[in-house]
Amino acid sequence: SYVLTQPPSVSVAPGEAATMTCGGNNIGSKRVHWYQKKPGRAPVLVMYYDGDRPSGIPDRFSGSNSGSTATLTISRVEAGDEADYYCQVWDGSADYVVFGGGTKLTVL
Amino acid sequence: QVQLVESGGDLVKPGGSLRLSCTASGFSLSGYYMTWIRQAPGKGLEWVSFITNVNIYTNYADSVKGRFTLSRDNVRNSLYLEMSGLRADDTAVYYCARVMGANYFDLWGLGTLVTVSS
Repeated sequence: SYVLTQPPSVSVAPGEAATMTCGGNNIGSKRVHWYQKKPGRAPVLVMYYDGDRPSGIPDRFSGSNSGSTATLTISRVEAGDEADYYCQVWDGSADYVVFGGGTKLTVL
Repeated sequence: QVQLVESGGDLVKPGGSLRLSCTASGFSLSGYYMTWIRQAPGKGLEWVSFITNVNIYTNYADSVKGRFTLSRDNVRNSLYLEMSGLRADDTAVYYCARVMGANYFDLWGLGTLVTVSS
């Protein structure tokens, strides 16, 4: 089955940029989506189709996908961005949804 | 207001059964594929199942295949997850979500907690 690998944690200071990666075999051939999850709250879609932002998501959020790595970048990080971030793809070979293990973003 | 509301979560003994519901408001469920995703305490998001909206087709994660059944009632604008043979590792908050485009999830409910314990 397809596996997505995310680093467990990323820490940045307010105002800096946070880069979160999502690795997978030839992930550049797939469409990657990203969710923000805060404790006690429902997940929120923050990026879809690699680099498209849903309405209401600030343009500080951007995404890219190539080769074996997809990336979610948050520029000018704010305290309110502190959350777990999950990447997700569709594995069409098995009709399966696959999530990465999640990255905990800590704002120092 | 466009929203999804899950219900039915409860404390159940190992081997027991439970039915979760997800009711949509502000839009018609019949136009969308739908999915269930869960998060166990201290763990990440785990996909559980999805259902198409026409020529009803369902698929399940290996961890629940044969024990969970997903169905929909487009008249009642609702989704149902029948769970049986529940195990301790099924303990989680269960979210329903609306599926868009290339299988991403743009609308989520607040979740319902299922606890499997003796």
